Amino acid sequence: EPEVTQTPSHQVTQMGQEVILRCVPISNHLYFYWYRQILGQKVEFLVSFYNNEISEKSEIFDDQFSVERPDGSNFTLKIRSTKLEDSAMYFCASSEARGTGGYTFGSGTRLTVV
Amino acid sequence: GENVEQHPSTLSVQEGDSAVIKCTYSDSASNYFPWYKQELGKGPQLIIDIRSNVGEKKDQRIAVTLNKTAKHFSLHITETQPEDSAVYFCAASSPNFGNEKLTFGTGTRLTIIP
Repeated sequence: EPEVTQTPSHQVTQMGQEVILRCVPISNHLYFYWYRQILGQKVEFLVSFYNNEISEKSEIFDDQFSVERPDGSNFTLKIRSTKLEDSAMYFCASSEARGTGGYTFGSGTRLTVV
Repeated sequence: GENVEQHPSTLSVQEGDSAVIKCTYSDSASNYFPWYKQELGKGPQLIIDIRSNVGEKKDQRIAVTLNKTAKHFSLHITETQPEDSAVYFCAASSPNFGNEKLTFGTGTRLTIIP
């Protein structure tokens, strides 16, 4: 079964440092997403991306965050200057079409900011 | 924006018994309601979904019901097995956001007692 692959599985970074989280969505999917889950809390939407641009973003997704699809396979989330409160599990997801749901989530990257 | 409430937060059920998890949503325009199962260290996995044009959907031991008037939907698992132990999340999406953004509930930790 096709999978969404995320790397690394765990990232530890110093406060103020930049981090890039990487994702390889399912190959025929067109819509890409990032969500985050702070420990013990609900999964929260960050951003959706289609046709090489952001289509929706939440209030969490401020100027410190950016997304990019640098080539035909990778989808990245960059946090420019990490804060302690950015510590969370970050999930990438992709879907084949808009409005049909059927997201496939990756296994996540646990980001720990120290 | 959409707000999804989920309860109970924890649920323990004897193996073979049924489990019911309930969610309410606030945005009357929401029209897609998936349920996700999250096992330790993994991303959310879609187990069943329902759209607002139907009231019930069943897939083997899992069923979901939707009451649009009351704005609530429920997950029913029958003949529970130990492998059903996990955290379950409900979610909702609205065409107001192109059905791209999922708003999640707070999760239910289901434990099946052998």
